[in-house]
Amino acid sequence: GDSVTQMEGPVTLSEEAFLTINCTYTATGYPSLFWYVQYPGEGLQLLLKATKADDKGSNKGFEATYRKETTSFHLEKGSVQVSDSAVYFCALSQAGTALIFGKGTTLSVSS
Amino acid sequence: SAVISQKPSRDICQRGTSLTIQCQVDSQVTMMFWYRQQPGQSLTLIATANQGSEATYESGFVIDKFPISRPNLTFSTLTVSNMSPEDSSIYLCSVESGIRDEKLFFGSGTQLSVL
Repeated sequence: GDSVTQMEGPVTLSEEAFLTINCTYTATGYPSLFWYVQYPGEGLQLLLKATKADDKGSNKGFEATYRKETTSFHLEKGSVQVSDSAVYFCALSQAGTALIFGKGTTLSVSS
Repeated sequence: SAVISQKPSRDICQRGTSLTIQCQVDSQVTMMFWYRQQPGQSLTLIATANQGSEATYESGFVIDKFPISRPNLTFSTLTVSNMSPEDSSIYLCSVESGIRDEKLFFGSGTQLSVL
């Protein structure tokens, strides 16, 4: 079945460092891909999404490009802030089906 | 965007009891899902709540333990039955409008602690 694999955490960075969180997927067909974020003590929020190959999702300085040839959807940010500290989940969804999540990657940014 | 109200937001329950969690959406939605997030873990799909028919459960989840109702296109309940400490988790309702590019929305979750 479909699955998502994302890099193990925690990821610890200094403020203004470059962030990459790797995410690869296995799926039949053409799923939509998502990044969700969970800030400490808060619920899950959609960060960005892409619905077809070569689409780039972006939000709050974060970007991810849907790469069908490498079945990847890596999350990047050029300069992280302390407020970006959170757990990040990569996920996929086929039309009419539930999200399938990766295990999550904890990001900790220090000043 | 859909607004989802989930309640209770948290509860502390005794072993052997049951808790029913409600999910109310402010618009009609095609798909409703229930997830579990165990402490420090990712989200695991429990079941898809189908309007007018029995829910579709994922491997490892059964109707006797997690009965689900979906009486209409805006409301669903999940019951956690005969609870044990292992059921302590966050339970989340999620909806999708049915249009492929629509965002998938989550309720704020129910944090359940079983003593």
